[in-house]
Amino acid sequence: QVQLVQSGSELKKPGASVKISCKAFGYTFTTYGINWVRQAPGQGLEWVGSINTNTGNPAYGHDFKGRFLFSLDTSVSTAYLQISSLRADDTALYFCAREYAGRVTMFDHWGQGTLVTVAS
Amino acid sequence: DIQLTQSPSSLSASVGDSVSITCRASQTIASYLNWYQQKPGKAPKVVIYAAISLEIGVPSRFSGSGSGTDFTLTISSLQPEDFATYYCHQTYGPPYTFGQGTKLEIK
Repeated sequence: QVQLVQSGSELKKPGASVKISCKAFGYTFTTYGINWVRQAPGQGLEWVGSINTNTGNPAYGHDFKGRFLFSLDTSVSTAYLQISSLRADDTALYFCAREYAGRVTMFDHWGQGTLVTVAS
Repeated sequence: DIQLTQSPSSLSASVGDSVSITCRASQTIASYLNWYQQKPGKAPKVVIYAAISLEIGVPSRFSGSGSGTDFTLTISSLQPEDFATYYCHQTYGPPYTFGQGTKLEIK
């Protein structure tokens, strides 16, 4: 069955970088886009952006341009989110989600989330 | 960017009640509106997509309505497992945005 499995929790110091992964199982990876969603502690969902897994073309949310970078390794059906120059307010749970885009568009399968904690 | 405003932000109800949550978009989004359920520490799960379509496996007590700018999620005959936070989500065009969430609590 379709599954997205994310890498484990990360504890980083301010100014460092982190790279989290999202590995897809159970479908052809390049057929569906991957979106990234952030959820700060006790807060709602924020769209970080998306990557077209066929072309590699990314789209970033307004607040996520510059320090956030999406990448792919299609040979292992994996998407990555890299965040540089980490700040305390980057502390959050980061989800990847598969984008079903046909007649309708929705995020139909989600990873379990990766907690990134930024603290000195 | 398209803003989504949900109301109420929180809601208390009892098992067996019916509740409705509304979501208003800052501009027309046709039917590009989804609803997700999220339980603490878990990933969101889609319950309604394209404004009115019930996701496979979701109980029929969940229903969605609306188009354009005004949308509603209704849950009839609440069950204990329905108490969660619900988010609306528009995919009319990037940037995709979410509503701020509605926390549904047991009275």
